[in-house]
Amino acid sequence: DAKTTQPPSMDCAEGRAANLPCNHSTISGNEYVYWYRQIHSQGPQYIIHGLKNNETNEMASLIITEDRKSSTLILPHATLRDTAVYYCIVRVATAGGTSYGKLTFGQGTILTVHP
Amino acid sequence: DTEVTQTPKHLVMGMTNKKSLKCEQHMGHRAMYWYKQKAKKPPELMFVYSYEKLSINESVPSRFSPECPNSSLLNLHLHALQPEDSALYLCASSQMTGGNSPLHFGNGTRLTVT
Repeated sequence: DAKTTQPPSMDCAEGRAANLPCNHSTISGNEYVYWYRQIHSQGPQYIIHGLKNNETNEMASLIITEDRKSSTLILPHATLRDTAVYYCIVRVATAGGTSYGKLTFGQGTILTVHP
Repeated sequence: DTEVTQTPKHLVMGMTNKKSLKCEQHMGHRAMYWYKQKAKKPPELMFVYSYEKLSINESVPSRFSPECPNSSLLNLHLHALQPEDSALYLCASSQMTGGNSPLHFGNGTRLTVT
């Protein structure tokens, strides 16, 4: 699987947009970009995923660059409850190969939302 | 609340004990997963089941024995564990194992081996 690089930590003021970057320069054409977050003492929570196009749901927006080598997760109006570890993951889309089916977590970004 | 239910929430066991962790989902998902998470580390994949068959074993020691009795249930049988096996054990499910099927996680079982 392609590796991802994320900043170890970020801060954001409550009510402002949180923009979390992720580099995945070795991503293949058959790999999705996934974002999860994990709030202390809970299981990881799915946020959003995409292949090539930008995606938006009720939680966040995912912006993928045209060359697919990086992406940004946007939380439009951060709240204190968004404080968590955010994981950017690339995941093989198609069958075949030993990586199929795996979702492999990296170190993630600790996002702290301040009042 | 999550749609993947894990029991028990906490478990303390001795090194000679045998115990089981249970995971249940009723979303009709056909893929189920076990992850292990040590403190301040990311989750690490242990096993993947697809259509009730084991499809991935990430070289996990045999003292961990997974079982998928039906499409809704996933067990992890534990025997002769070591203190370093103390961790949060997470179960997840997805519609399929393909890359377009997000995993949904439970809140885990926190295991302490004494």
